Amino acid sequence: LAKTTQPISMDSYEGQEVNITCSHNNIATNDYITWYQQFPSQGPRFIIQGYKTKVTNEVASLFIPADRKSSTLSLPRVSLSDTAVYYCLVGDFRTNAGKSTFGDGTTLTVKP
Amino acid sequence: SAVISQKPSRDICQRGTSLTIQCQVDSQVTMMFWYRQQPGQSLTLIATANQGSEATYESGFVIDKFPISRPNLTFSTLTVSNMSPEDSSIYLCSVAGSGVNYEQYFGPGTRLTVT
Repeated sequence: LAKTTQPISMDSYEGQEVNITCSHNNIATNDYITWYQQFPSQGPRFIIQGYKTKVTNEVASLFIPADRKSSTLSLPRVSLSDTAVYYCLVGDFRTNAGKSTFGDGTTLTVKP
Repeated sequence: SAVISQKPSRDICQRGTSLTIQCQVDSQVTMMFWYRQQPGQSLTLIATANQGSEATYESGFVIDKFPISRPNLTFSTLTVSNMSPEDSSIYLCSVAGSGVNYEQYFGPGTRLTVT
């Protein structure tokens, strides 16, 4: 699985848009980009996955440039409850039987 | 999505003893995994629990220390053997979803403290 690099922490305020960028220079052709969210005392929760360009769901958007060497998770209008650790994972999950290697993650703190 | 439960949710154990953690899924799944998350750290994959055969361990983890059972497609156990304080962690069970994203679903974790 490709190595990923994320900021260790980020601060934001309620109502703001938050963008968390993940670098994955060694991404392979068949690799997908997946983001998970983890609250304290809980297991990680799948947020979004993409291969290229832009993906949007009810929770977040994922922007992937043409070279795919980075990706940006965008959380619109965050609230205090979005305070969590966010993990970026890159891999060909279809051939890797679903198992994932988690990087260090980004701790997002949303302030009132 | 899969609903996963783990038992116990937390435990405090003495060094040298063993603890078995149970993972129950509400549906049959092919792939089950065990992770460890040490305080303030990210998740580290311990092993893949294979139904009907020996688990596949990641580098740094061995069967004698972390024996795993997978008797059927909805249940698995992880035993932490001969515990030391360094084994104090949260242990998480996960399963791979059957959707197009192959996302994982995680249990709530078992918080283990070894004194």
